[in-house]
Amino acid sequence: QVQLQESGPGLVKPSGTLSLTCSVSGASITNFFWSWIRQPPGKGLEWIGYVYYSGSTSYNPSLRSRLSISLDRSRNQFSMKLTSVTAADTAVYFCARDPGSASPSSWFDPWGQGTLVTVSS
Amino acid sequence: QSVLTQPPSASGTPGQSVTMSCSGSGSNIGTDTVSWYQHLPGTAPKLLIYSNDQRPSGVPDRLSASTSGTSASLAISGLQSEDEGDYYCASWDNSLNGYVFGTGTKVTVL
Repeated sequence: QVQLQESGPGLVKPSGTLSLTCSVSGASITNFFWSWIRQPPGKGLEWIGYVYYSGSTSYNPSLRSRLSISLDRSRNQFSMKLTSVTAADTAVYFCARDPGSASPSSWFDPWGQGTLVTVSS
Repeated sequence: QSVLTQPPSASGTPGQSVTMSCSGSGSNIGTDTVSWYQHLPGTAPKLLIYSNDQRPSGVPDRLSASTSGTSASLAISGLQSEDEGDYYCASWDNSLNGYVFGTGTKVTVL
């Protein structure tokens, strides 16, 4: 059974960097597409970006200038960093797997439970 | 910045059926597949449907989905209390070169 678990600081100061890690168990990260998705309070889901097992990435154009996503194969984890954060980046952040092989499959399964990150001074 | 439009709410009594729509465009639903998720606050979203109409193992056949042109729909028959939650559609968008989600539909069992 594949399980994903997000971890990272729950509070980040404005203009700071939001850093999160997703730990994967039950499957090797050296396959598939690995995504970050967020949900601001009271709003819907927004795809942030993905990293492919090869290390290639794709980012939401609205976040591309502030975002980086990477893999840590030795720890079976992947991570995201979002710089210059504002209150608008306050959200529950989820990590999820797209089980596509050579190209994205267009669905996510499974997801992590999510972690709330608040941007505030 | 949801690209896919869903009705904000849907409801029914136990045993009834509810249907919800997901409206997109030629750059997403019109050219790529649709998936559906159920999300309860504080939990991991659950995949209900992938590749437009396929149910993963463990998802009851009371749930069915279809697509037509640039729209998709999800139907739940024999409504049960466990069906309450927020439902989201999703697809790949070739113009944005990324995934897009629907605005979400809150299902209430009366």
